[in-house]
Amino acid sequence: SYELTQPPSVSVSPGQTARITCSGDALPKKYAYWYQQKSGQAPVLVTYEDSKRPSGIPERFSGSSSGTMATLTISGAQVEDEADYYCYSTDSSGNHWVFGGGTKLTVL
Amino acid sequence: EVQLLESGGGLVQPGGSLRLSCAASGFTFSNYAMSWVRQAPGKGLEWVSTISDSGGGTYYADAVKGRFTISRDNSKNTLYLQMNSLRAEDTTVYYCAKCGANGGIDYWGQGILVTVSS
Repeated sequence: SYELTQPPSVSVSPGQTARITCSGDALPKKYAYWYQQKSGQAPVLVTYEDSKRPSGIPERFSGSSSGTMATLTISGAQVEDEADYYCYSTDSSGNHWVFGGGTKLTVL
Repeated sequence: EVQLLESGGGLVQPGGSLRLSCAASGFTFSNYAMSWVRQAPGKGLEWVSTISDSGGGTYYADAVKGRFTISRDNSKNTLYLQMNSLRAEDTTVYYCAKCGANGGIDYWGQGILVTVSS
């Protein structure tokens, strides 16, 4: 079955740039979506269709995709950005979706 | 404002059945695909199922195929998940989710807990 691979954890100091990667064989042809989930809360969409940002999401969040890797970049990470981040995409059929395993971002 | 409100969760015995509902508001429900996603305590997100805007297309994760059925009633703006032959590993929080134009999820409900235990 199709898999998306993320690093389990990323750690940065406040104000630094955090980059979270997501690799998958179908990413060259399928969009990646990124979600932020804080403890005890429902996930929130932070970027969609590789690089678009929903209204209300701070500009420091950006997405990109190249080849088999999608990346979520948080430029000038803040303490409130500490959360689990998940990538999401579909397999080559377009009918079976999958989440990456999640990355715990620590900002301290 | 998009709102998704899940109901129907609770405690069920192994082998039992449960039907989750999701009442949607704040958007034209019949224009969008909808999904169910689950998350076991302390674990990651897991896609469960997606249904097309008309209900004519349904898709399932291998872990639930043959046991779960997704459906919708566009006249009632409601999404359903019928869960049969429940197992202990189905114990998770289930999220109702709205899909965007290209299928990815753009809005989430608050989630509802299903516990499968004797």
